[in-house]
Amino acid sequence: AQTVTQSQPEMSVQEAETVTLSCTYDTSENNYYLFWYKQPPSRQMILVIRQEAYKQQNATENRFSVNFQKAAKSFSLKISDSQLGDTAMYFCAFMKHEYGNKLVFGAGTILRVKS
Amino acid sequence: KAGVTQTPRYLIKTRGQQVTLSCSPISGHRSVSWYQQTPGQGLQFLFEYFSETQRNKGNFPGRFSGRQFSNSRSEMNVSTLELGDSALYLCASSLGGLSGSYEQYFGPGTRLTVT
Repeated sequence: AQTVTQSQPEMSVQEAETVTLSCTYDTSENNYYLFWYKQPPSRQMILVIRQEAYKQQNATENRFSVNFQKAAKSFSLKISDSQLGDTAMYFCAFMKHEYGNKLVFGAGTILRVKS
Repeated sequence: KAGVTQTPRYLIKTRGQQVTLSCSPISGHRSVSWYQQTPGQGLQFLFEYFSETQRNKGNFPGRFSGRQFSNSRSEMNVSTLELGDSALYLCASSLGGLSGSYEQYFGPGTRLTVT
């Protein structure tokens, strides 16, 4: 079974600075997908960024980028130019490449952006 | 395009009762997945439906069931409610195919409280 570990329960960052959230996972699969989701206080789960395991290039979406290290089974999220609206719980998630969608989530990291 | 909708948004039930939650996916999406979110257990996968068939199932007791209709709308049912079933129930939809359509988009959730 796959497991996802987020070792930082809480983090804080000053507005406009950069912060990195950590995620490691355990799997014997070779083909899979990794995601970062954001859940603000409204509880709406929002997809931030995705990475296909077969792609070596790290995914980027505007101020969000990942550092994907397949051999180390590490998938960290970097948020640049942090904004107050980035305050949320961030979940790292894993999905096998198979016929059927099932996300395995980490425990989450609460990120607080301070002004 | 309208997002994923879930009804009702809030629900209070008594132990022993049953409850039905509804989810309407994004137009064109054929896969609907359900997740339970609690402070203690985090986000856990319940089941996934694709083209009216259950394609994947998590480790939940048989009291938790679901179905999907021909228009891709899905319902989940919990019978004989227990206090521990109090949670935020999240529904997510995706295109559901094997290649390039695996991203899941979440609804706002249904907050179930069992007293």
